[in-house]
Amino acid sequence: ETGVTQTPRHLVMGMTNKKSLKCEQHLGHNAMYWYKQSAKKPLELMFVYSLEERVENNSVPSRFSPECPNSSHLFLHLHTLQPEDSALYLCASSQGLAGLYNEQFFGPGTRLTVL
Amino acid sequence: DAKTTQPNSMESNEEEPVHLPCNHSTISGTDYIHWYRQLPSQGPEYVIHGLTSNVNNRMASLAIAEDRKSSTLILHRATLRDAAVYYCLPSRRNKLVFGAGTILRVKS
Repeated sequence: ETGVTQTPRHLVMGMTNKKSLKCEQHLGHNAMYWYKQSAKKPLELMFVYSLEERVENNSVPSRFSPECPNSSHLFLHLHTLQPEDSALYLCASSQGLAGLYNEQFFGPGTRLTVL
Repeated sequence: DAKTTQPNSMESNEEEPVHLPCNHSTISGTDYIHWYRQLPSQGPEYVIHGLTSNVNNRMASLAIAEDRKSSTLILHRATLRDAAVYYCLPSRRNKLVFGAGTILRVKS
């Protein structure tokens, strides 16, 4: 595997289910990100991890719980979601925090549907 | 965070140059200007970034206005594979704030 991978690619869940999204980066980066992309809306930054510590939490509801056990893996744990949480969830990584001169590498995303 | 204004959509013919404009009049002196693109059914992909000087790479060129309030992404010869949403992102530290972007359509 190369780059940034995400599993599963598609997920359908009920509002009472608990599921997890997984992201893995094979680039040796030390920062990882979760974004949400809803239909007809810009990408929204959800969480930022740098050196496995959370450095950004953009007012995301507690039903989304991130976990970064090491610099290569990032999880997004989901519980009691709402239908409006249906979206494409994108993971990204960078060497150092992005925004100055470090580019982000994105995964293909997980298409989540909440019934 | 600096606000950006981009055209909603643009159209180009294949093999012709494309100039994608972006207005970022509230940019601060230390914000880099990043461009990303998102092809259909894929995550965004880095294109290019710069601070003050014009920049070139294998994908595109970035022309930055002298006052840094606007920039232009230049695709020298558009191909069908360049059809995507192009995002202009003035950014700092860990902040990459995506706007609506410009939908580029390429006609054969």
